[in-house]
Amino acid sequence: GQQLNQSPQSMFIQEGEDVSMNCTSSSIFNTWLWYKQDPGEGPVLLIALYKAGELTSNGRLTAQFGITRKDSFLNISASIPSDVGIYFCAGLEGAQKLVFGQGTRLTINP
Amino acid sequence: DAGITQSPRHKVTETGTPVTLRCHQTENHRYMYWYRQDPGHGLRLIHYSYGVKDTDKGEVSDGYSVSRSKTEDFLLTLESATSSQTSVYFCAILAHGGGELFFGEGSRLTVL
Repeated sequence: GQQLNQSPQSMFIQEGEDVSMNCTSSSIFNTWLWYKQDPGEGPVLLIALYKAGELTSNGRLTAQFGITRKDSFLNISASIPSDVGIYFCAGLEGAQKLVFGQGTRLTINP
Repeated sequence: DAGITQSPRHKVTETGTPVTLRCHQTENHRYMYWYRQDPGHGLRLIHYSYGVKDTDKGEVSDGYSVSRSKTEDFLLTLESATSSQTSVYFCAILAHGGGELFFGEGSRLTVL
């Protein structure tokens, strides 16, 4: 099956810093999604992208659907303690199946 | 809250024993999924269902079977559990089109 390569695998930042992470694929996806997982819970959808080149914001989060359809980026501005967690990219494959990246674990030092 | 309940939430079992995890939804969604989460691997699809008695394999289906006899319930069975199946298992539903999944809270399975 398809694989998504997500980087970095972990990040340690200071509160207030901006965060950038990305996801690449060897194959094309027509939909990219970003999820966040808090400790002990299931992932929750942050942003969905449906069009190549699309740039979408959700509060301090901004995500982009790469023009090649093989990558996506997520940025978090002015990080706060509640941003801590694991961030997953996902690509929609075929009939409603999601393929996930390995995740980026974000740790914030106050 | 997408009305998803997983049970049990925690289970410890021994190698070779059968295990069944249950996912229950209250909102009559057609698509349901079982993923496992392991460090360094993210979420990997085990099986999914697109209707009653309609199921298909995901990328890591070996050693697992599923059943969906009612719209609201999707069962994941490990016929003979192995230590490599120690993991956190997540059920998800497709509440809207376009890949927007809602996940349950997870079931942590430890196989000794």
